[in-house]
Amino acid sequence: EAQVTQNPRYLITVTGKKLTVTCSQNMNHEYMSWYRQDPGLGLRQIYYSMNVEATDKGDVPEGYKVSRKEKRNFPLILESPSPNQTSLYFCASSSEGISNQPQHFGDGTRLSIL
Amino acid sequence: GQSLEQPSEVTAVEGAIVQINCTYQTSGFYGLSWYQQHDGGAPTFLSYNGLDGLEETGRFSSFLSRSDSYGYLLLQELQMKDSASYFCAVDSGYALNFGKGTSLLVTP
Repeated sequence: EAQVTQNPRYLITVTGKKLTVTCSQNMNHEYMSWYRQDPGLGLRQIYYSMNVEATDKGDVPEGYKVSRKEKRNFPLILESPSPNQTSLYFCASSSEGISNQPQHFGDGTRLSIL
Repeated sequence: GQSLEQPSEVTAVEGAIVQINCTYQTSGFYGLSWYQQHDGGAPTFLSYNGLDGLEETGRFSSFLSRSDSYGYLLLQELQMKDSASYFCAVDSGYALNFGKGTSLLVTP
């Protein structure tokens, strides 16, 4: 089954404790991205990757890192999480870039930073 | 920069037709997408307009006017399961910039 898989689905942690949210897709997609969703603010892009070893900042990259060493994986790293990073996070992928390419979203990761 | 405006809430009756508008201001524009999201779930792709005009997919249609920086999503024969949030998103060529979403409530 074609899918985007995020782990963990839920996480409660404390300020300053490094964490990684994994994202993996099995569709051989070139484009991958991370979004955060907060009430009343819609989806805001954190980082995106056009292909392996090609990553770029989105609208809200502060406090986050990503890497794209393999085509299928695009982990989101919070080196020193803070409470303002409490949010619902989505990973998405598409075949080639953005234009006229449906974004396939993972089921989301709900992070709570205390 | 980019900004998108869409109504925050819309209520409609089962079986009716509803239109959700989206206006945008952007420095780079390739197209307009629409996504549906049920409570806390993953957004799912509905449609994409790269050119002016109407795109129809079953009960859903989407329209784009580049000259007016305006688009809309039209939902026909509303069903209870259509109650969800709907997001327009501007395609800038390398990223999607989402609006804040419209919460659609379908009532019996």
